[in-house]
Amino acid sequence: NAGVTQTPKFQVLKTGQSMTLQCAQDMNHEYMSWYRQDPGMGLRLIHYSVGAGITDQGEVPNGYNVSRSTTEDFPLRLLSAAPSQTSVYFCASSRGGEAEAFFGQGTRLTVV
Amino acid sequence: TQLLEQSPQFLSIQEGENLTVYCNSSSVFSSLQWYRQEPGEGPVLLVTVVTGGEVKKLKRLTFQFGDARKDSSLHITAAQPGDTGLYLCALTLDAGNMLTFGGGTRLMVKP
Repeated sequence: NAGVTQTPKFQVLKTGQSMTLQCAQDMNHEYMSWYRQDPGMGLRLIHYSVGAGITDQGEVPNGYNVSRSTTEDFPLRLLSAAPSQTSVYFCASSRGGEAEAFFGQGTRLTVV
Repeated sequence: TQLLEQSPQFLSIQEGENLTVYCNSSSVFSSLQWYRQEPGEGPVLLVTVVTGGEVKKLKRLTFQFGDARKDSSLHITAAQPGDTGLYLCALTLDAGNMLTFGGGTRLMVKP
């Protein structure tokens, strides 16, 4: 059972570079989201989607874009990487409401 | 100020000890989830509590939802090294099930 798959697991970028973090789920969940995790701050919501074609901003959306062209995929784009975006990024999916959220293994991103 | 405050931030104990971690909010919420995260992995759901005063048990873990639905606690009896990890409480702010997390309690259980 694949669940939520994130790629890559590790990435180093130079300041100003762009890249896309991939997220795919095989559970046919409508709801998907991206979080970043920094030391001592839990997880903070970046962007989310409640279905294909629908996206919205979370708590810390600046510097990131998302799109949801299919139910399965929810990529996160960094437009121009900054050192402040050094973090661990998690993608999650769920059926919505109070249902369990399933997380990927994370992408550890370092911006130098 | 975070919506959910967790305490303590760090806890280091010996195997066999008991411990309690707390999750508090100034707002009333309809339900709360507890997740555990191991190094290099994403969070995994432990339990969802939905009723004020509710107590749920998961082996050596006991979860309680406050009567006023503004706080929750997690009690671990006879902690084991396998309990080591980051414990996160989270709540959903809207029907989109977008979770808001507390800062977490990092637990280390030494053999």
